Amino acid sequence: EVQLVESGGGLIQPGGSLRLSCAASGFTVSSSYMNWVRQAPGKGLEWLSVIYSGGSTYYADSVKGRFTISRDKSKNTLYLQMNSLRAEDTAVYYCARDTPIAYWGQGTLVTVSS
Amino acid sequence: QTVVTQEPSFSVSPGGTVTLTCGLSSGSVSTSYYPSWYQQTPGQAPRTLIYTTNTRSSGVPDRFSGSILGNKAALTITGAQADDESDYYCVLYMGSGISVFGGGTKLTVL
Repeated sequence: EVQLVESGGGLIQPGGSLRLSCAASGFTVSSSYMNWVRQAPGKGLEWLSVIYSGGSTYYADSVKGRFTISRDKSKNTLYLQMNSLRAEDTAVYYCARDTPIAYWGQGTLVTVSS
Repeated sequence: QTVVTQEPSFSVSPGGTVTLTCGLSSGSVSTSYYPSWYQQTPGQAPRTLIYTTNTRSSGVPDRFSGSILGNKAALTITGAQADDESDYYCVLYMGSGISVFGGGTKLTVL
């Protein structure tokens, strides 16, 4: 069974950094297309980034240059390194498998506030 | 910048049929955009309903169907039930690794 479990969210001050993790089971992260998607409070879904099985990475303009997607084959885990965080980055962050997305995690809340 | 468009809200009667659409601010949606549909209730993670235009995700009832109608992707719910009251999102693959979600449709069943 495919399972995705995000962690690493929390309260962070503007300008700070945070790394989100997504532990996967039931499949191999490095053999899959893996995405990050977020949802600000009361808003819609926003696609952020994808890492392909071959290692290519792509980003939405809203996070390009600030966020970095990566994976650890030995831990079967996906990451999102978030730098220079802003109030508008406050959201629930989901990891998701495949393009188009077929499987979702439950999400982790990131709050950027002083 | 291309915007993916969805109806902000829609209403359907129990047992009725409703078609939600997913378009582009410029151009037509085709199967090449791999349109996919997701259902989300408040406080829950999205649930995949339809991917690559018309493939139902495992466990999704066949009263949910996807298609291309004219220049848009479409999600049709036949025989709407009370628990279909949710937010529905489409996503389009724009190429070069980029996907874009629509703004979502809030479906009311009453």
